[in-house]
Amino acid sequence: EADIYQTPRYLVIGTGKKITLECSQTMGHDKMYWYQQDPGMELHLIHYSYGVNSTEKGDLSSESTVSRIRTEHFPLTLESARPSHTSQYLCASSEYTNREQDTQYFGPGTRLTVL
Amino acid sequence: QQPVQSPQAVILREGEDAVINCSSSKALYSVHWYRQKHGEAPVFLMILLKGGEQKGHEKISASFNEKKQQSSLYLTASQLSYSGTYFCGTGGVPGRRALTFGSGTRLQVQP
Repeated sequence: EADIYQTPRYLVIGTGKKITLECSQTMGHDKMYWYQQDPGMELHLIHYSYGVNSTEKGDLSSESTVSRIRTEHFPLTLESARPSHTSQYLCASSEYTNREQDTQYFGPGTRLTVL
Repeated sequence: QQPVQSPQAVILREGEDAVINCSSSKALYSVHWYRQKHGEAPVFLMILLKGGEQKGHEKISASFNEKKQQSSLYLTASQLSYSGTYFCGTGGVPGRRALTFGSGTRLQVQP
C-alpha cells in the first residue's frame, strides 16, 4: 500500500497570501510529481522531480515553484495566491523498475480555494 | 501529446459490460489505468507494457495494441463499486519523463 501524504487537505486563503502545500512519501521513491485537477476534469502535470535537487516544469504552465531537498519531501509553493489558483493539487510518486514503469501512487490531494 | 479516451461518459446497469478506449498519436511503451472516485485520489489499476499483453484484475481486464497505439479497458459484469472516472496514462521512453494522462471517462453504474 502506498504511503504518500499531503497537508493540508483543505485550504481556504485570501488573495496575495503565500502558501506551501506539503507532500511526503515514505516509500523511498526517486520520482515525484505535482498535478493540478479541477473537479471531474483531467490531470495536468505542473512539476516533477527525478530525485534530490532535480525539478522540472510540467505540461501546464504554473506560477508555483517546487523544491526537492530530501528524497521524501516535495513541497509546492505559491508566492502570491490568486483566485485562478483555486483547484485540487495532487502529489504522486513512483519508482521505475523493469516490470512496472513509472507506476504512480497518488496522495489524497489538497483542495485549495483562493478568495 | 495527450492520449484520447472514448467514450467521455457511460452509464451502465449492474451486470452490464463496458469498454473504455485510449489512443495515442505517439509510440507507446506503457499504458497505465487508474480509477478515481469522486473526491478521492486516483488509484492504480494496472499497467500494460509494450508487447501486446493483456492483464486482468478480477472482472476488469485490459489490452495493449502497440501497432494501433491504443489500449482498451474491459469491465465485465459491472458492479456499483466500478463507478468513477477512469484515466489512462501513457508512457514514452522507459524511465524518463512523466506519464501523460487522458481526459478521463466517467463511468456510472446504476442498480
